[in-house]
Amino acid sequence: GAVVSQHPSRVICKSGTSVKIECRSLDFQATTMFWYRQFPKQSLMLMATSNEGSKATYEQGVEKDKFLINHASLTLSTLTVTSAHPEDSSFYICSAGRQGAGEKLFFGSGTQLSVL
Amino acid sequence: RKEVEQDPGPFNVPEGATVAFNCTYSNSASQSFFWYRQDCRKEPKLLMSVYSSGNEDGRFTAQLNRASQYISLLIRDSKLSDSATYLCVVSRMDSSYKLIFGSGTRLLVRP
Repeated sequence: GAVVSQHPSRVICKSGTSVKIECRSLDFQATTMFWYRQFPKQSLMLMATSNEGSKATYEQGVEKDKFLINHASLTLSTLTVTSAHPEDSSFYICSAGRQGAGEKLFFGSGTQLSVL
Repeated sequence: RKEVEQDPGPFNVPEGATVAFNCTYSNSASQSFFWYRQDCRKEPKLLMSVYSSGNEDGRFTAQLNRASQYISLLIRDSKLSDSATYLCVVSRMDSSYKLIFGSGTRLLVRP
């Protein structure tokens, strides 16, 4: 099956630093990738849709200047949390769709971000 | 009101029990429906798609009622390994295709 690799799996950082999370589709090309955030005991919330070669589409209430998304190739999308603060501590997870797989999305393993 | 609503549980059941989860969605334009399983701090994994005609996969049976905007999941003969959070998910199209996740129902299967 299709594999999506997400790195790193866990990050602990000081307040004010920036953190980059990578999402790679290993055996297929993903023109669209999705970034989600999940707080404890809450649902996955879509943050943005990442489109290869164009600007990401952000959901209402998500600051595009704080959560920078770059989708420079068909196999890589990155999410950078700029000037992270403790309230940004969360589980971040990416997913990608593969052509021919219908509506099935393939998820990365997630990144647990803890901002001290 | 959340677009996808689920009872958070937890449902605490003995091995071998039958357990049912329910989910409602508010957007009548929702197109497709799924149940995902998520273990603690792991990515969600697709359990099964849900169709109006009802569908079964081994011990798991899913049902969709479009008129009532209601989705169900039935697990028979529960196993310890079924302990997880079960996410009700719907898809729709806005400017792009989106999956909307419920907050999940937690299941604990005890020996």
